[in-house]
Parts: sequence; structure tokens; C-alpha cells
Amino acid sequence: DAKTTQPNSMESNEEEPVHLPCNHSTISGTDYIHWYRQLPSQGPEYVIHGLTSNVNNRMASLAIAEDRKSSTLILHRATLRDAAVYYCMHTGRRALTFGSGTRLQVQP
Amino acid sequence: GAVVSQHPSRVICKSGTSVKIECRSLDFQATTMFWYRQFPKQSLMLMATSNEGSKATYEQGVEKDKFLINHASLTLSTLTVTSAHPEDSSFYICSARGGLAGIADTQYFGPGTRLTVL
Repeated sequence: DAKTTQPNSMESNEEEPVHLPCNHSTISGTDYIHWYRQLPSQGPEYVIHGLTSNVNNRMASLAIAEDRKSSTLILHRATLRDAAVYYCMHTGRRALTFGSGTRLQVQP
Repeated sequence: GAVVSQHPSRVICKSGTSVKIECRSLDFQATTMFWYRQFPKQSLMLMATSNEGSKATYEQGVEKDKFLINHASLTLSTLTVTSAHPEDSSFYICSARGGLAGIADTQYFGPGTRLTVL
């Protein structure tokens, strides 16, 4: 299994940046790093993915360590709608394997 | 972005009956579809992977005769829970992936189906 390690929970204040860490020490050279988030009673929502270089999109930024054994999802200005469970995964063509993720709470 | 729909969004059935859940990719062709199950306060567990026109590959511990998967077209996969029992009550989520964008193909998830077996 493609195992990742994330903190169980994190808290942030609204309008502040949030850095969600993930360790993926068993990642292979061809695996992409994927981040999804899930709100209660909904399917997971794609956030961002990358291979080696840092990536930016309208939702977030992904910073990937040079050795690729860790990455950080950056939400630049957290909003209440960003409160969710965030999952970090790595895979090539295999199905995504979900760990327990990080529950992000955002305080007003 | 790519949209995946599921129907129904919730279903309640009696023990012993069968329930069919549909998963559709609305704006792309999904060469591969996945079915996951999520129990309360737990993470998603992969049940099976299906490629269009092929038999599904089931994860260890998932009974293929109980969870029938059909992926007859590039936009539709169905999961049938046969002879459902209360322990099958769960949140079932499908995911679809296109086959043309290379190794980093993104999986897009449906909104999920809440199954309650009485």
C-alpha cells in the first residue's frame, strides 16, 4: 500500500494561511502526489497534484520536497468553507488509497 | 472540471433485497472506474476497480458475488449490492478516471450514495 503520514487534526483562523504537511517516504519515482479533501457526507474533492515541482492552482499550492518524501499543501487564506478532512496520497496508475487524513478546523 | 454523478443519493431498503447504484461520468469518458465504501468516522476503503468492457478487480475481503459491478460503457458503471444486510449499510462512493492524460490521470469522485439496510 502507498502509505502516507499526516497529522490527525489542525486548526486555523479564518483569513490566515494554512500549511498541511504530509510524509510519503515510500513514494516511487513515477508516483504523483495527490491531495483531496472531503466534507461530511460528500465525495472527495480534487485539490491539487504534482510530481516534482511546486504547483499552484486556484484552490491551493503544493510544495514538494526535493527528495519527494514529503509535501505541504498550502491554503493561502483559509475560509470557513475550507474546513474538511484533507487527504494526501501518492500513486501512479493504481487506485488512490486513502489514509486517515488531516481534519482541518477553521475558526472565525 | 470533470463531473461524476451518482444515483440515488440515498436509499433505504429491507434486508434481503438488492440495490443498484449508478455512477456516471458526465463530461468525459472514464476508462476506469472505482468503487469505495466509507463507514462512519472512517476513511474510504477501495472495493473494486473496473475497466470498461472488462471484469472488475476486487480488493481482498470484498465478495464479488455480493457486490456486482458492471462497467458496460465509458460513462456508466453500476454497483449492485445483492441480498443486502444491515452490515452493508454504508456510504458508497464511485470515482472515475479518463485514460488519455497520461500517468497522472486524476480521479474524480461522485457525491456518494448513502445505503441504509433495515
